[in-house]
Amino acid sequence: DAGVTQSPTHLIKTRGQQVTLRCSPKSGHDTVSWYQQALGQGPQFIFQYYEEEERQRGNFPDRFSGHQFPNYSSELNVNALLLGDSALYLCASSEQGASDEKLFFGSGTQLSVL
Amino acid sequence: AQSVTQLGSHVSVSEGALVLLRCNYSSSVPPYLFWYVQYPNQGLQLLLKYTSAATLVKGINGFEAEFKKSETSFHLTKPSAHMSDAAEYFCAVSHNSGGSNYKLTFGKGTLLTVNP
Repeated sequence: DAGVTQSPTHLIKTRGQQVTLRCSPKSGHDTVSWYQQALGQGPQFIFQYYEEEERQRGNFPDRFSGHQFPNYSSELNVNALLLGDSALYLCASSEQGASDEKLFFGSGTQLSVL
Repeated sequence: AQSVTQLGSHVSVSEGALVLLRCNYSSSVPPYLFWYVQYPNQGLQLLLKYTSAATLVKGINGFEAEFKKSETSFHLTKPSAHMSDAAEYFCAVSHNSGGSNYKLTFGKGTLLTVNP
């Protein structure tokens, strides 16, 4: 059973560019959350998708947007990249309403903005 | 608003020694508390979680944590450190244990090194 998979693993972009990160949730999971982990910091919640809608959002600007597809996979898009967007982006999946709901994290996409 | 503070960004112990990683939380409602571990180049793995069922929570790999409401603490312990425990550990808090509002607020992490 594959866990949460993210692609690509590493990415280098320049300021002002746009980037798309992808996530496939663990089998049986229908909810996807995205977190940003800057160097030396804990992960910060960006947003959560369920039933193809954004359900919750953290304190991130509109440059950060997302999408969830009917197969529950998800994309994170960041427009007009800034140097400060350099971070590890983590995707986490869970199953809504499970008796012991847990978040499962992927290994992340390391984004470097030059 | 909710938050967690992890005391000590770096903890170093000898193999076989007690591991103690400190976490204090702030929450206006009864919290759900978690400890995650992150190995290099990997995602986060859940060690244990507190959801009000019992104040002493046992997790994987011999770790446990005790919820102390009077001290607003949720410290992580392991009686005897192993070299494989070297990793970064994150404490996190949530309003919910699950459901559509499942959003974690993490501390800054504590890097644990284990010396032979």
